[in-house]
Amino acid sequence: NAGVTQTPKFQVLKTGQSMTLQCAQDMNHEYMSWYRQDPGMGLRLIHYSVGAGITDQGEVPNGYNVSRSTTEDFPLRLLSAAPSQTSVYFCASSYSSGTNSPLHFGNGTRLTVT
Amino acid sequence: AQSVTQLDSQVPVFEEAPVELRCNYSSSVSVYLFWYVQYPNQGLQLLLKYLSGSTLVKGINGFEAEFNKSQTSFHLRKPSVHISDTAEYFCAVNRINNNDMRFGAGTRLTVKP
Repeated sequence: NAGVTQTPKFQVLKTGQSMTLQCAQDMNHEYMSWYRQDPGMGLRLIHYSVGAGITDQGEVPNGYNVSRSTTEDFPLRLLSAAPSQTSVYFCASSYSSGTNSPLHFGNGTRLTVT
Repeated sequence: AQSVTQLDSQVPVFEEAPVELRCNYSSSVSVYLFWYVQYPNQGLQLLLKYLSGSTLVKGINGFEAEFNKSQTSFHLRKPSVHISDTAEYFCAVNRINNNDMRFGAGTRLTVKP
């Protein structure tokens, strides 16, 4: 059971560089989301999707883009990285949106922006 | 929007002692409530959830939580902890028919021998 797979596990970027964090799930989940985890702040929702072709902003969307072309994949793009985006990023999915379904999390991507 | 407050950032406890991790939430509408656990260098895993019905919810690894609507709380308890329970615990709330699950800042539980 692969569940939710995130790549890469670690990444170091210079300010201004761009990159894409990959997320894939093999559970046919309708709902997918991206969170960032910072010390003392818990997890904050960046973007989410309730199905292929549908995305929406969460609590902290600035500086990030997403798309959902398939049910399985939900990549997160940083267009111009900033030191404030240094964080641990988690992708999560659940069976349905809106939602009493618990989230299934990947193991995270640790991003450092210098 | 809903919000979550975890009242203790760190809880040290000795092995086999009871523990309570406190969580309060704020929402103008009905909510679903969750507790997740995060072990080092891993993602979060579901411990238990409250959707409706009985206010006492049992989860994995001997944990339980009680929903108190009047106090807007959802405290997590375990009668006897083990070294392996050392982890970070997150309370989360989601409004019914909403897609914006909010997490607390986390409580780091350290179980000492």
